Amino acid sequence: GQQVMQIPQYQHVQEGEDFTTYCNSSTTLSNIQWYKQRPGGHPVFLIQLVKSGEVKKQKRLTFQFGEAKKNSSLHITATQTTDVGTYFCAGNYGGSQGNLIFGKGTKLSVKP
Amino acid sequence: DGGITQSPKYLFRKEGQNVTLSCEQNLNHDAMYWYRQDPGQGLRLIYYSQIVNDFQKGDIAEGYSVSREKKESFPLTVTSAQKNPTAFYLCASKGFAGANVLTFGAGSRLTVL
Repeated sequence: GQQVMQIPQYQHVQEGEDFTTYCNSSTTLSNIQWYKQRPGGHPVFLIQLVKSGEVKKQKRLTFQFGEAKKNSSLHITATQTTDVGTYFCAGNYGGSQGNLIFGKGTKLSVKP
Repeated sequence: DGGITQSPKYLFRKEGQNVTLSCEQNLNHDAMYWYRQDPGQGLRLIYYSQIVNDFQKGDIAEGYSVSREKKESFPLTVTSAQKNPTAFYLCASKGFAGANVLTFGAGSRLTVL
């Protein structure tokens, strides 16, 4: 079936270092979303990418969608302790009515 | 404030018992979802419902049942047939207008003793 692979599973960084998580699908996606789950919390929507090659920024976070719409990345510049949590990508194969397929997530820890 | 309410937050059960997790939303969303989260496994879809009185199996429906008698409510029953029910259960909803974005509840953590 359809699968979204996400790496790395864990990432430990020193505060101020950059962080990147990657998602890859074997088939073309309609769009991809990113969610953040704080420790003990629930996933919260961050952003949706729809267009081929799209790049979006939210302060220190940069989201990219590949030209072939099969891969995506989330990059955090100069991590802060507030960035701690698990970041999930979620691929959509079926347009506005499609179900999301979640990656397994990347758990980020930030050492002050 | 609009949102999704899940209850209970923590639940303990003995083996062989059925338990029902509640999910209520006041977002006027049409679609509702149940996910299971295990460490390192991401979110796996159990059941979903796009309209009242209709629901579909997700990837891991075995040992679970749902109902959708009201638009606002989508309870999940974890039956004794579920072999490994200890997990964190997340309910989510989505409106059909606008972006295909999920809003999640705070989750219910089930532990089987």
